[in-house]
Amino acid sequence: DAGVIQSPRHEVTEMGQEVTLRCKPISGHNSLFWYRQTMMRGLELLIYFNNNVPIDDSGMPEDRFSAKMPNASFSTLKIQPSEPRDSAVYFCASSLTPGLAGAEQFFGPGTRLTVL
Amino acid sequence: GNSVTQMEGPVTLSEEAFLTINCTYTATGYPSLFWYVQYPGEGLQLLLKATKADDKGSNKGFEATYRKETTSFHLEKGSVQVSDSAVYFCALRGASGGGADGLTFGKGTHLIIQP
Repeated sequence: DAGVIQSPRHEVTEMGQEVTLRCKPISGHNSLFWYRQTMMRGLELLIYFNNNVPIDDSGMPEDRFSAKMPNASFSTLKIQPSEPRDSAVYFCASSLTPGLAGAEQFFGPGTRLTVL
Repeated sequence: GNSVTQMEGPVTLSEEAFLTINCTYTATGYPSLFWYVQYPGEGLQLLLKATKADDKGSNKGFEATYRKETTSFHLEKGSVQVSDSAVYFCALRGASGGGADGLTFGKGTHLIIQP
């Protein structure tokens, strides 16, 4: 299995530009999570989907952030317009079968975003 | 809400030393508890987990016991190696989510093992 795939691995953009991060979960997993990692705040959950439906987006910092999951094998996280404070590593994770205590989340390698 | 507190380090040890990384949590009910490890430039990997009180998770010589009375899940290893150098994250998932809830992470502990 290829694991969770994220693209791009690195993104450098200028303030005000639109940024789209992509994630392909592990085949057969029905839960998908987006996390953000910064030095100041550590790892934070932004949003998660179950069976392609957003369940909890309370971690999304503001309206500039949006996430979609049009099908079971693809999700995007979009920032428009981007700001320097959005600079962080963004991780996507997926897991199998809600309802199992301790169900493991598998993480992708992350996208390192730098907004100048 | 849920929260996880862990020592942030960096923690520097010599090879073959005994390791303890403390982790305590706040949550309602009976959360599931996890330790993840992050090597430089990589994503997080699950190291071990425990889903109920008094469970002991173990993997690669690491152990952690779910202590509900002290709300703790301390990570231990009897003899560390240089290859254990990484950032270690304690995390929990609340009991109410049925398995689909996101994880709440501690800030991470940077472990450095010197030869």
